[in-house]
Amino acid sequence: EVQLVQSGAEVKKPGESLKISCKGSGYTFTSYWIGWVRQMPGKGLEWMGIIYPDKSDTAYSPSFQGQVTISADRSIGTAYLQWNSLKASDTAMYYCARHAMRGMNAFDVWGQGTMVTVSS
Amino acid sequence: DIQMTQSPSSLSASVGDRVTITCRASQSVGNSLNWYQQKPGTAPKLLIYAAFYLQSGVPSRFSGSGSGTDFTLTITNLQPEDFATYYCQQSYSTPPWTFGQGTKVEIK
Repeated sequence: EVQLVQSGAEVKKPGESLKISCKGSGYTFTSYWIGWVRQMPGKGLEWMGIIYPDKSDTAYSPSFQGQVTISADRSIGTAYLQWNSLKASDTAMYYCARHAMRGMNAFDVWGQGTMVTVSS
Repeated sequence: DIQMTQSPSSLSASVGDRVTITCRASQSVGNSLNWYQQKPGTAPKLLIYAAFYLQSGVPSRFSGSGSGTDFTLTITNLQPEDFATYYCQQSYSTPPWTFGQGTKVEIK
């Protein structure tokens, strides 16, 4: 079964750092891009950025460029989303999703989401 | 960046109704337009890709149409499990691949 499994919920204080993960299984991890999507409480989906694990090529939305870092470790089939200094406004659900560039060109498999709460 | 605008933002409908949601891009995206369904507390699910291709396992009452800047998601014979929020997303050319703001389909 193709799946993406994300790390568990996090509660952090403003200014702290955080790295959440997304592990792929059931498919060739390096053949698909992995994207990250933010959903703030009660709000819509926001496309944050994407990585191609085979070469670690990345692309970010201008809204998130410089605010987060997307990385991947292809040896363990895992992608990451990282913050160096969290803000209260980073409180949200974060989803990873698989993107096939050729053919479908869409997010066809999604992780279950990681809830990040930033509060003093 | 390409901006995606959905209308309406919400709608009320009854079981058995035909529902139409539109999505407009700020510039042409060819047919690189996808539709997702999200139910409360769950991850989004891909319904339609490349404007009109039905993702495997998605009921045929869902259909997509359009190209360029104007797209439509149609649900015929609305079922109880279809009450959810629907998002369009463009995946044209280079990132970012933006989402629309969502359309919430509620029970009348």
